[in-house]
Amino acid sequence: GQQLNQSPQSMFIQEGEDVSMNCTSSSIFNTWLWYKQEPGEGPVLLIALYKAGELTSNGRLTAQFGITRKDSFLNISASIPSDVGIYFCAGRIYNQGGKLIFGQGTELSVKP
Amino acid sequence: SAVISQKPSRDICQRGTSLTIQCQVDSQVTMMFWYRQQPGQSLTLIATANQGSEATYESGFVIDKFPISRPNLTFSTLTVSNMSPEDSSIYLCSVGTRTGVGTEAFFGQGTRLTVV
Repeated sequence: GQQLNQSPQSMFIQEGEDVSMNCTSSSIFNTWLWYKQEPGEGPVLLIALYKAGELTSNGRLTAQFGITRKDSFLNISASIPSDVGIYFCAGRIYNQGGKLIFGQGTELSVKP
Repeated sequence: SAVISQKPSRDICQRGTSLTIQCQVDSQVTMMFWYRQQPGQSLTLIATANQGSEATYESGFVIDKFPISRPNLTFSTLTVSNMSPEDSSIYLCSVGTRTGVGTEAFFGQGTRLTVV
């Protein structure tokens, strides 16, 4: 089946550093969504992208929908301890209804 | 965004038994989905819950094991049947809501299931 490759799997950074993670696919997507999941909680939507080339920000978070429609990245600037969690990308394949395919997740640890 | 409530939030069950998970949304939604998240893993779609008709299951998931009901546009249930320890996972309800530019997807807090 379709797969989303998300990297890196984990990151251990110092507070204040910038973070970048990305997802790639062999399929064309018409939607990219980025989520954060904390322990014991469901994923929380951070950013939604709907057009190739779209660049969207949400506070210190910035995400882009790749031009090829097969990739997306998420950047976090000036990380803080509460950024800790697992970040997932999710994509919606063109012509396959509303279901999402998820990346493997990037576990972010921030050292104060 | 939609507010999604799942019950129970967690449970410990004996193997061979069944558990029904409820998902209640605070507004009518067209799309509802059920996902499984195995320990330390990503989310995998189990099925799309269709209002008034049988759910649409993904490869590897069958109705006998994961029967789903969706009697209206705000409520759905997922049953995990004849449980084994391999069914220990987080089960998540998700809804799709249309915005002006696309469809966003929101999740409940999940049901953490442990089978012993």
